Amino acid sequence: EAGVAQSPRYKIIEKRQSVAFWCNPISGHATLYWYQQILGQGPKLLIQFQNNGVVDDSQLPKDRFSAERLKGVDSTLKIQPAKLEDSAVYLCASSLTAYNEQFFGPGTRLTVL
Amino acid sequence: AQTVTQSQPEMSVQEAETVTLSCTYDTSESDYYLFWYKQPPSRQMILVIRQEAYKQQNATENRFSVNFQKAAKSFSLKISDSQLGDAAMYFCAYRSDYGGSQGNLIFGKGTKLSVKP
Repeated sequence: EAGVAQSPRYKIIEKRQSVAFWCNPISGHATLYWYQQILGQGPKLLIQFQNNGVVDDSQLPKDRFSAERLKGVDSTLKIQPAKLEDSAVYLCASSLTAYNEQFFGPGTRLTVL
Repeated sequence: AQTVTQSQPEMSVQEAETVTLSCTYDTSESDYYLFWYKQPPSRQMILVIRQEAYKQQNATENRFSVNFQKAAKSFSLKISDSQLGDAAMYFCAYRSDYGGSQGNLIFGKGTKLSVKP
């Protein structure tokens, strides 16, 4: 069974630029999560989707971050414009339902200069 | 709001020895789940073990076991017969069992475990 796929694995941008991350969850998983993991900290939930609907985006900085999950499968997370403090690893996870085990992707390491 | 605290930023253990990682949490809820996740240097997070709060029996998965003390809000992970492959960041996580939370995991800051040969 294929795991959660993410791309790119690494990204370096200048502040005020835009960036997008892509996530392909495990087939059949209805719930998809985006987490932000700043160096030295645990992951923090940014947004949770159930199929193609948003369940929780309370910690998403909506003035610069946006996410979508078209057709309830793949998802993209965008940052526009990026700030220095956005430097982090962005993890995507998926689960069969919100109450099943979450499976994590390898993450995208973003460096904002 | 729930919080998870891991007070040991780094731990070290000799190969084949036993090590215990600490975790405390704060919640007013009675129904929840607790997890330990492992994040090796490649960064793919994997689930090590889970504990349902309503279960008194401590969870065990092969060399990994937990000491769950609900009243003390403590959830420690014991790794027996440590192996080189156990070296990683370990995160303690909390998940509410109430509908409103929808499965959101709340993580601690992690403990970096080194295993010496």
